[in-house]
Amino acid sequence: GQNIDQPTEMTATEGAIVQINCTYQTSGFNGLFWYQQHAGEAPTFLSYNVLDGLEEKGRFSSFLSRSKGYSYLLLKELQMKDSASYLCAVTNAGKSTFGDGTTLTVKP
Amino acid sequence: DARVTQTPRDKVTEMGQEVTMRCQPILGHNTVFWYRQTMMQGLELLAYFRNRAPLDDSGMPKDRFSAEMPDATLATLKIQPSEPRDSAVYFCASGLVLGGGYTFGSGTRLTVV
Repeated sequence: GQNIDQPTEMTATEGAIVQINCTYQTSGFNGLFWYQQHAGEAPTFLSYNVLDGLEEKGRFSSFLSRSKGYSYLLLKELQMKDSASYLCAVTNAGKSTFGDGTTLTVKP
Repeated sequence: DARVTQTPRDKVTEMGQEVTMRCQPILGHNTVFWYRQTMMQGLELLAYFRNRAPLDDSGMPKDRFSAEMPDATLATLKIQPSEPRDSAVYFCASGLVLGGGYTFGSGTRLTVV
């Protein structure tokens, strides 16, 4: 089976850095996705990690450790528009299972 | 930008009625997913197709839900009969098997009264 854990909520200040963690225990693993979802909208793709290490894409970075079943999403220079839910998803044989998401609130 | 198109955007129906949701995946994408999202359960995978063939529909209540992909440009999710507990946002997503992420449609917000 699949078990994916993320914190339910986080709060951070505009301009700061925040790290959203995701731990997983799955029967198979091909890769890990991070998605962003604003309230009332569809999830949008942020990053995909297959190998261990850090993937950087602008203000967002994602890290993966397969041996530890652990990933994090790092958001730098936070902006108000980054307030959203961040979903971690593990993929196996083309099938993605999502965590419940972390609701991030960015305050001025 | 290429996008996944879902119709209808919103649907309100009475319990017992049939509901059909449609999805047009991005041209060239060979994998199509149906997800359901509620506050209580989060995003749940209902079914997915690769090259139009159903690969996994274990997340779907088989007695009332059915998913098909009659051609490469259309995926459908049908509920018959609908029940109030089916009220949720239903998302379709498409992508390629290897690499990249999946693109989600805007969703169909279903309310069964």
